[in-house]
Amino acid sequence: EIVLTQSPGTLSLSSGDRATLSCRASQSVSSSQLAWYQQKPGQAPRLLIYGASSRATGIPDRFSGSGSGTDFTLTISRLEPEDFAVYYCQQFDSSLYTFGQGTKLEIK
Amino acid sequence: QVQLQESGPGLVKPSETLSLTCTVSGASISSYSWIWIRQPPGKGLEWIGYIHYSGSTNHNPSLKSRVTISADRSKNQFSLKVSSVTAADTAVYYCAGRRSYDDSSGYSYYYLDYWGQGTLVTVSS
Repeated sequence: EIVLTQSPGTLSLSSGDRATLSCRASQSVSSSQLAWYQQKPGQAPRLLIYGASSRATGIPDRFSGSGSGTDFTLTISRLEPEDFAVYYCQQFDSSLYTFGQGTKLEIK
Repeated sequence: QVQLQESGPGLVKPSETLSLTCTVSGASISSYSWIWIRQPPGKGLEWIGYIHYSGSTNHNPSLKSRVTISADRSKNQFSLKVSSVTAADTAVYYCAGRRSYDDSSGYSYYYLDYWGQGTLVTVSS
């Protein structure tokens, strides 16, 4: 089973700041099979990034993904108030589609 | 527009079987793979299992053999059963659709693009 470890657990920033979220895999993951989701309270997760770096339809360009192998990053260039939420990475590289434990992005 | 809707009892007694159905509209279940995910209150997402469009299934080994995922193509629905439930199975259960495509280099891209709204299932006597 591929374990995804996200860091930090909680990130406290202000609107306009740059956010950098990390997702580290216990073994190499194909970049094409790494996705990022955003979840707000009481809502289902929403796809942000697929293939490690491709933005999903309708996702603003302040969101970007990068990385390969075991280290992946989600970057939000300039935080907007609606970006404060929990973010999850997920891999599909093994037949067990594991999620990271999440990073909570909170207002400082 | 693809829409997913979970349905099933919101309360299940310990040791009984949790049963949920996801009804898909706007797409054929024969076209994608379909996933069940759960989220215990205040916790993160846990992948439960999937049913491939071919009919093959797989599930999280942490749930041992308690999970059954099936599909009813005539109703365009797929279902989840979790047997011998305990309080630890209390969660919001989501159904989701996995999209995929192969690029010109032969790489396969997978991602969950379709999500139900989620349904809370509480295990309690």
